Amino acid sequence: DAGVIQSPRHEVTEMGQEVTLRCKPISGHNSLFWYRQTMMRGLELLIYFNNNVPIDDSGMPEDRFSAKMPNASFSTLKIQPSEPRDSAVYFCASNRDRGETQYFGPGTRLLVL
Amino acid sequence: LAKTTQPISMDSYEGQEVNITCSHNNIATNDYITWYQQFPSQGPRFIIQGYKTKVTNEVASLFIPADRKSSTLSLPRVSLSDTAVYYCLVRSYNFNKFYFGSGTKLNVKP
Repeated sequence: DAGVIQSPRHEVTEMGQEVTLRCKPISGHNSLFWYRQTMMRGLELLIYFNNNVPIDDSGMPEDRFSAKMPNASFSTLKIQPSEPRDSAVYFCASNRDRGETQYFGPGTRLLVL
Repeated sequence: LAKTTQPISMDSYEGQEVNITCSHNNIATNDYITWYQQFPSQGPRFIIQGYKTKVTNEVASLFIPADRKSSTLSLPRVSLSDTAVYYCLVRSYNFNKFYFGSGTKLNVKP
């Protein structure tokens, strides 16, 4: 299996622009997670889906952030408009069922200027 | 979610055994203890998981005392490539949220 796939790996954008991060979970996994990692705040869970349905989005910072999972093999995390404080590494992870080991993607390093 | 406390950083030398202790005083009956490893510029990777006593795999051992309020990750004979951040998590199989905390940054020196 190819593991969790994320794109792009790096993104540099200007403040105010829309940013879309993409994730393809491991085939057969029915839960998908979006995390954000910064030096100051560590690894934070933003949102997670189960069977394509958002279960908990309490970690989403504000309305500028939105996430979708239109099917079992694809999810997006969108930031609109982006701000410099959104600069971070964004990880996507998936697992087969609740409580099972999570498998992380390589992350997207976002820099908002 | 039971909160965990672990040292911010540790230093070691190649070939030594490293023990990282994590405290989780509020662990619940249904909770498991899980450790992840994160290398720079990579996502966290599962190392080992246990419920009580001792668990060993090809990478590490996990020691959990009877009261389960703490756990110790043991890495035998570390090498430079074991330099990473190690996260201790307490999680329930009834609940799919993982709290990663700050982790322990292990620095292995030659």
